Amino acid sequence: AQTVTQSQPEMSVQEAETVTLSCTYDTSENNYYLFWYKQPPSRQMILVIRQEAYKQQNATENRFSVNFQKAAKSFSLKISDSQLGDTAMYFCACHAGGTSYGKLTFGQGTILTVHP
Amino acid sequence: EPEVTQTPSHQVTQMGQEVILRCVPISNHLYFYWYRQILGQKVEFLVSFYNNEISEKSEIFDDQFSVERPDGSNFTLKIRSTKLEDSAMYFCASSERWSSGRETDTQYFGPGTRLTVL
Repeated sequence: AQTVTQSQPEMSVQEAETVTLSCTYDTSENNYYLFWYKQPPSRQMILVIRQEAYKQQNATENRFSVNFQKAAKSFSLKISDSQLGDTAMYFCACHAGGTSYGKLTFGQGTILTVHP
Repeated sequence: EPEVTQTPSHQVTQMGQEVILRCVPISNHLYFYWYRQILGQKVEFLVSFYNNEISEKSEIFDDQFSVERPDGSNFTLKIRSTKLEDSAMYFCASSERWSSGRETDTQYFGPGTRLTVL
């Protein structure tokens, strides 16, 4: 079984600044995948970024990047040049391979507020 | 861009009643999932479905729950006799490929159905 922990219930940042959201996970699988999903007030879950555990290079998607520390089981999300539209709940999620047929395990979420 | 759709957006029902939540996955996706999110809590996996069979289910997914692909486009979640604690947001998701081993594919989520059991 895997667990995902987000220790920051809420974060805030000024527009155009950088913010980092923390996530730690635990899994006994060697092959696993990590995701950050964004859930704005509309409640639609939107994929932000994903990382394959077997890749050493940190994933990046435009203003979003991750710091994947495999040994420490840490997967933080960095948002650069924050925009008002980034205001949302952010969920870290893990999918472990093996016998887990697509099940995503989510963290508790971090509410991010971007202030003008 | 293709997206997962869900209906209704909000369902209110009386305790003990049956509800059916509907989802239309992305058209070329073959793997389907249901998750739920009780207000203020984390998103929880309910069930995964492929080739007209349940692939995996959580301990939440008891005999009161069932899933079905009644036709080529819809994917439904049925709760036979709703309880107060079933009140939650229910998310449907779909993926193109199987998420296992070294191959994975992203799960795309629908906007959710808010179920309120009175």
